[in-house]
Amino acid sequence: SQKIEQNSEALNIQEGKTATLTCNYTNYSPAYLQWYRQDPGRGPVFLLLIRENEKEKRKERLKVTFDTTLKQSLFHITASQPADSATYLCALGDDKIIFGKGTRLHILP
Amino acid sequence: NAGVTQTPKFHILKIGQSMTLQCTQDMNHNYMYWYRQDPGMGLKLIYYSVGAGITDKGEVPNGYNVSRSTTEDFPLRLELAAPSQTSVYFCASSQPGLTNTGELFFGEGSRLTVL
Repeated sequence: SQKIEQNSEALNIQEGKTATLTCNYTNYSPAYLQWYRQDPGRGPVFLLLIRENEKEKRKERLKVTFDTTLKQSLFHITASQPADSATYLCALGDDKIIFGKGTRLHILP
Repeated sequence: NAGVTQTPKFHILKIGQSMTLQCTQDMNHNYMYWYRQDPGMGLKLIYYSVGAGITDKGEVPNGYNVSRSTTEDFPLRLELAAPSQTSVYFCASSQPGLTNTGELFFGEGSRLTVL
């Protein structure tokens, strides 16, 4: 069955550094992969989508890579700020979209 | 536009009771989804629909039913509620396509407790 794994449950990063989150998947060949941010008590909010024919995508301080050979996506937040502290979820699928468990990111001032 | 609206926001249900969680979207999206999220966990897909009259099972469909008679509405029915169905339920919609991002728009969630 399809499986998504996000590298760690929690990640602590010093303010100003780059945070890198990993999403690995198996038994699937998605046409695109998405990243979401979720704050406590709220629904997820869309951040970026990357298609299978795109190697990299950027939006402000965010960068996503997608390696369909390794079946892996990396999500980077550069110049991290305490306000970036949240849970980040990766999601994949075309019609049937499934999510990883998420990584809780803490940016330490 | 209100986006995706879920009702109720909170509800306590007794074991064995049934109820329906309502979800409505006003963005004319064809795709709609129901997820559940247990504390500290990611989202698990319950059911999804790619258009009116079409529904498919997700990862955890047992104990739930859905219908999609209109583009706007996608209600989730819990039959014979069990404590294991205590969770936060999120409804989402999207409109994938070449000119769209295909992103999911989420409602604010419905917090259900089964006692």
